[in-house]
Amino acid sequence: EAGVTQSPTHLIKTRGQQATLRCSPISGHTSVYWYQQALGLGLQFLLWYDEGEERNRGNFPPRFSGRQFPNYSSELNVNALELEDSALYLCASSFRGRVQPQHFGDGTRLSIL
Amino acid sequence: GESVGLHLPTLSVQEGDNSIINCAYSNSASDYFIWYKQESGKGPQFIIDIRSNMDKRQGQRVTVLLNKTVKHLSLQIAATQPGDSAVYFCAEKGQGGSEKLVFGKGTKLTVNP
Repeated sequence: EAGVTQSPTHLIKTRGQQATLRCSPISGHTSVYWYQQALGLGLQFLLWYDEGEERNRGNFPPRFSGRQFPNYSSELNVNALELEDSALYLCASSFRGRVQPQHFGDGTRLSIL
Repeated sequence: GESVGLHLPTLSVQEGDNSIINCAYSNSASDYFIWYKQESGKGPQFIIDIRSNMDKRQGQRVTVLLNKTVKHLSLQIAATQPGDSAVYFCAEKGQGGSEKLVFGKGTKLTVNP
């Protein structure tokens, strides 16, 4: 069974640009989650999508947004990039339901120059 | 605020010894807990989970203990191997329909041969 896949592996942008990160969940999973892992910090929850809708978002500005497609894959968009957006962005997926572990991909390393 | 903390940021053990990684959580309403292992350059890997109606759960070489009275979680790894070297995160999921996981900053486990 294929795990969660994310692309690209690395992404280099400059301040003010826009970045798009992609995620394909494990087959059968309908929920997709996005987390930010900045250097020296733990994982911070960004967004949760299920059945094509945004269900919850973390304490991040509106320039962090995303969507989920009918095949349950997801995109994370970050507009007006700032230096502090440099981080590893992790996507996770799970079956819908509260007591389900989230399974992670290996992330996209976003570097802002 | 939200926090899941770890008592020890680093832990060094000898190969073959047992390891214990501790975690304190702050939200007494959390009802689901997960341990993840993150190796360098990879995403978090699910190890074991436990619901709040349990106080112990065992997997292959791993045991998770939950003490709700003092809001403490621990991960025990038996016969630690060099391949166990990684950063370990505990995560909690609160009640109320939010699917987000709240992570601690992690404990780095180093296994010496």
